[in-house]
Amino acid sequence: DQQVKQNSPSLSVQEGRISILNCDYTNSMFDYFLWYKKYPAEGPTFLISISSIKDKNEDGRFTVFLNKSAKHLSLHIVPSQPGDSAVYFCAALPQGDSGYALNFGKGTSLLVTP
Amino acid sequence: NAGVTQTPKFQVLKTGQSMTLQCAQDMNHNSMYWYRQDPGMGLRLIYYSASEGTTDKGEVPNGYNVSRLNKREFSLRLESAAPSQTSVYFCASSAWGTAKNIQYFGAGTRLSVL
Repeated sequence: DQQVKQNSPSLSVQEGRISILNCDYTNSMFDYFLWYKKYPAEGPTFLISISSIKDKNEDGRFTVFLNKSAKHLSLHIVPSQPGDSAVYFCAALPQGDSGYALNFGKGTSLLVTP
Repeated sequence: NAGVTQTPKFQVLKTGQSMTLQCAQDMNHNSMYWYRQDPGMGLRLIYYSASEGTTDKGEVPNGYNVSRLNKREFSLRLESAAPSQTSVYFCASSAWGTAKNIQYFGAGTRLSVL
């Protein structure tokens, strides 16, 4: 049973505009969330994370928002650039684990067009 | 600046053949992981090693074995390959006891079982 869900398989955005990628989770024990970016033929690379004690974390053009009551998080990319075209995975960790495995969503493929 | 290195990058096997996928990290991380990624799916955990000398099953361990050879190396073995094991395999590592678990991934091994 998928505990981390990315319901949009793909998203297309024009360069310069905002990209919003969404992620929902079902396990209320999750308390740490990460976004990974993956280019074809490469491994995923860490992008940004957020702890459940926060509702927002920002790093340059990337901002992650967490709504715990809705069990929903989103990744905002502003402004979007063609180099942002990749698959984005949302992942989550339960409370108390620092060496355990991530629960991944299926990913959203972002295409940023010039 | 190697990070996580996986070998081989590509492999074609016949049903019933065996092989070992190798993974090494040079970041002095305690924890290591093996994932598989199938089309339209997120990454699913096969096995992980929280620290040297320990291994545990993940979500999809059937048909695989692992060995944590030392702190740097974590191998994945397919004893009798099946077409259902055609996939892209990713190795990852993380530091134990960090604030939370940022995993660093290798570039992947693309395996086809005919």
